[in-house]
Amino acid sequence: QSALTQPASVSGSPGQSITISCTGTSSDVGSYNLVSWYQQHPGKAPKLMIYEVSKRPSGVSNRFSGSKSGNTASLTISGLQAEDEADYYCCSYAGSSTFWVFGGGTKLTVL
Amino acid sequence: QVTLRESGPALVKPTQTLTLTCTFSGFSLSTSGMCVSWIRQPPGKALEWLALIDWDDDKYYSTSLKTRLTISKDTSKNQVVLTMTNMDPVDTATYYCARIQYSSGWSPFDYWGQGTLVTVSS
Repeated sequence: QSALTQPASVSGSPGQSITISCTGTSSDVGSYNLVSWYQQHPGKAPKLMIYEVSKRPSGVSNRFSGSKSGNTASLTISGLQAEDEADYYCCSYAGSSTFWVFGGGTKLTVL
Repeated sequence: QVTLRESGPALVKPTQTLTLTCTFSGFSLSTSGMCVSWIRQPPGKALEWLALIDWDDDKYYSTSLKTRLTISKDTSKNQVVLTMTNMDPVDTATYYCARIQYSSGWSPFDYWGQGTLVTVSS
């Protein structure tokens, strides 16, 4: 069982927006603005999409955005495209004993 | 340009020790703030953080696996090595190495290797 809780799956039609939640605790998501999101296509390595809750690395589409409220972080993808279909994982720093925890992953299906 | 590549055996037997090597380029582990981490992913399952080594040779381990893990670096070869003892079939996974930096706070895992699948079976 993963330390952070994500929905197993979400879906949306092209052009729509979806949001993936990532629920942790006051020891991880709630304590640090060090939440990141990774996109993983089948058979590929994870790719960083969002870091420090809401920052986008260079080259990542502005259709991807992140936010946090309390112990829950969220990833929103607007203007869904077929290429967005992938697994998405959240990750949070959890202090100097546990270090990093990941979510269980969410499979995004573009209908 | 930053690249990382994992190498090691594809198959190990139960109770054996696994040794994986991460060979990287585009940065140096002698540079202040640079770190390399290992993360694994069992087939069809979630990512799990395992270990990290930093530029100052400080080492950090997953609480649940720390008795079985050892991470080390060879700065001159741009390599980081992870050993995991007493391998079990539940350790079957794709093992990734990734770069992370520390500068007044932790950065994300910004560059990843392609991963290496390790199967534990007799």
